[in-house]
Amino acid sequence: SQQGEEDPQALSIQEGENATMNCSYKTSINNLQWYRQNSGRGLVHLILIRSNEREKHSGRLRVTLDTSKKSSSLLITASRAADTASYFCAPVIPGGTSYGKLTFGQGTILTVHP
Amino acid sequence: NAGVTQTPKFRVLKTGQSMTLLCAQDMNHEYMYWYRQDPGMGLRLIHYSVGEGTTAKGEVPDGYNVSRLKKQNFLLGLESAAPSQTSVYFCASRQDADTQYFGPGTRLTVL
Repeated sequence: SQQGEEDPQALSIQEGENATMNCSYKTSINNLQWYRQNSGRGLVHLILIRSNEREKHSGRLRVTLDTSKKSSSLLITASRAADTASYFCAPVIPGGTSYGKLTFGQGTILTVHP
Repeated sequence: NAGVTQTPKFRVLKTGQSMTLLCAQDMNHEYMYWYRQDPGMGLRLIHYSVGEGTTAKGEVPDGYNVSRLKKQNFLLGLESAAPSQTSVYFCASRQDADTQYFGPGTRLTVL
């Protein structure tokens, strides 16, 4: 299965602290994407990292990818209460996963306390 | 540019009733998807479409039908609703890149 598995299931931190979430997967990938879901809302794409990339930054987000360990991590620096959400990873296997279907795990629920 | 919109936002049905969920996108995307999200289950793909006039089954297609008569619209139908179809339904679309754009969701309760 190309489903990503996020760890931990839940993370609670104080505003200003950094938050790290991990994703593991089982097959070779073309790229891996991270999405955020605020409570009661749709998923929002955060960042995409390709299999030949090791690290990527976007604002306060830093994503790393280790294809040898089949794992990725998402770091949110200087967290804010507004970062409270569920975070999902979606590994994309070569060949477009049958027309680009994404397979999501159960996500990491991040709570940032003011 | 509204992105991906879904109607209705909420709906309550009785077992056996039928309904259609509408997804519309104004980005001229080729690919469209319907997912359902249940507590502790993540998102699961119901049906998808790779272009106008095409549809295909995803992971959990039973009890649902879809149509893509116009490129911008993707309809999800429940012919005879069951309590097991109580869920939050999300539509998504994408073009050439792998990034998917999601709608705000429809919360459906079947009594």
